[in-house]
Amino acid sequence: GENVEQHPSTLSVQEGDSAVIKCTYSDSASNYFPWYKQELGKRPQLIIDIRSNVGEKKDQRIAVTLNKTAKHFSLHITETQPEDSAVYFCAASYSGTYKYIFGTGTRLKVLA
Amino acid sequence: NAGVTQTPKFRILKIGQSMTLQCAQDMNHNYMYWYRQDPGMGLKLIYYSVGAGITDKGEVPNGYNVSRSTTEDFPLRLELAAPSQTSVYFCASTPRDSNYGYTFGSGTRLTVV
Repeated sequence: GENVEQHPSTLSVQEGDSAVIKCTYSDSASNYFPWYKQELGKRPQLIIDIRSNVGEKKDQRIAVTLNKTAKHFSLHITETQPEDSAVYFCAASYSGTYKYIFGTGTRLKVLA
Repeated sequence: NAGVTQTPKFRILKIGQSMTLQCAQDMNHNYMYWYRQDPGMGLKLIYYSVGAGITDKGEVPNGYNVSRSTTEDFPLRLELAAPSQTSVYFCASTPRDSNYGYTFGSGTRLTVV
């Protein structure tokens, strides 16, 4: 069935370093890939998304890359700051469907 | 424009009690969802709706019911609460289908004792 694998489950980086979170999806019809950030005790919030007609998208310190051939996409955070500490969820979906397939989440800790 | 509003924020129920979690959105979104999130875990889909009058089950619907009489409102009903329903419940909406970002409500933290 449809599946999204997310790695790593936890990630610790020093402040100022880069962080990379990777997701692999199973359904080749998937064409929309959002990333959500969930701070402790808060709601998930969309931070960046990418559609299958684009290979890379950037927004300040965050970027997402997509490799459709390999069916994986990654979140890149540069110059990490303590406020980047949160759980990050990837997801995959395709047009006309009712839901995402969420990844299992990555807990990012940025050490000051 | 308030986005997605959930009430209450916190609730403690006794085993066997019932309650309704409220969710309302003011963005004229067609698709609405209910998720639950157990501590330290991911999001599990309970029910979803693609428009007024249309609802369907997600991954974990047992013990819950929903209705969608208007575009704006999507209440979740818990009947005969059980400790296994202790969780944080998030409502979300999206304009048309899952090819768009979700807007989540702030959540309802439910404890069943």
